[in-house]
Amino acid sequence: GAVVSQHPSRVICKSGTSVKIECRSLDFQATTMFWYRQFPKQSLMLMATSNEGSKATYEQGVEKDKFLINHASLTLSTLTVTSAHPEDSSFYICSARDIARGNNEQFFGPGTRLTVL
Amino acid sequence: AQSVTQPDIHITVSEGASLELRCNYSYGATPYLFWYVQSPGQGLQLLLKYFSGDTLVQGIKGFEAEFKRSQSSFNLRKPSVHWSDAAEYFCAVGANAGGTSYGKLTFGQGTILTVHP
Repeated sequence: GAVVSQHPSRVICKSGTSVKIECRSLDFQATTMFWYRQFPKQSLMLMATSNEGSKATYEQGVEKDKFLINHASLTLSTLTVTSAHPEDSSFYICSARDIARGNNEQFFGPGTRLTVL
Repeated sequence: AQSVTQPDIHITVSEGASLELRCNYSYGATPYLFWYVQSPGQGLQLLLKYFSGDTLVQGIKGFEAEFKRSQSSFNLRKPSVHWSDAAEYFCAVGANAGGTSYGKLTFGQGTILTVHP
């Protein structure tokens, strides 16, 4: 149980285009999902907290108009990187918290490798 | 604000040797603590977690960790390392208080483990 999927696993796009990444909780409901970014040889940095049915909460320094987050259902959150640039190339990882467990454990997706040319 | 320090960026051990990865945290109350492992290009796998109770926590793959409040530490140990343990290990602290910080994870910088045959 507690499986999180991400799609796509890899994406290459041209500079200036937008890319959408999906995060799904496959066998549980998640009112809260988190989006992280990991640059090569670095740790995970929280970008935003996504709450079902409400606006996402962004961490300081993260542009909300560039990284659009939609959490339309209890099993799906999407991150759209708008007008992507090469510096947005990174590994994006989502996680989800199972509301039924009632604790602070997050389950992580396998990540999406974004390369912007 | 919560923070995590993993003092060792890179550790090399011989297969069969014991292992200890250090983690120190800063948090105003009793934290939720986690250890994750990440293989190259992959997502995060939870090794073990501490929420409350017994301060010695057993995890998967033969790993254990001990929560020491007096030292603000949560070091990861394994008595005999296998070649397949080579990966990057992340310690994380989660907020257990309510409000906007609840559920947020702060990760340490990571420790890369190399295992020599």
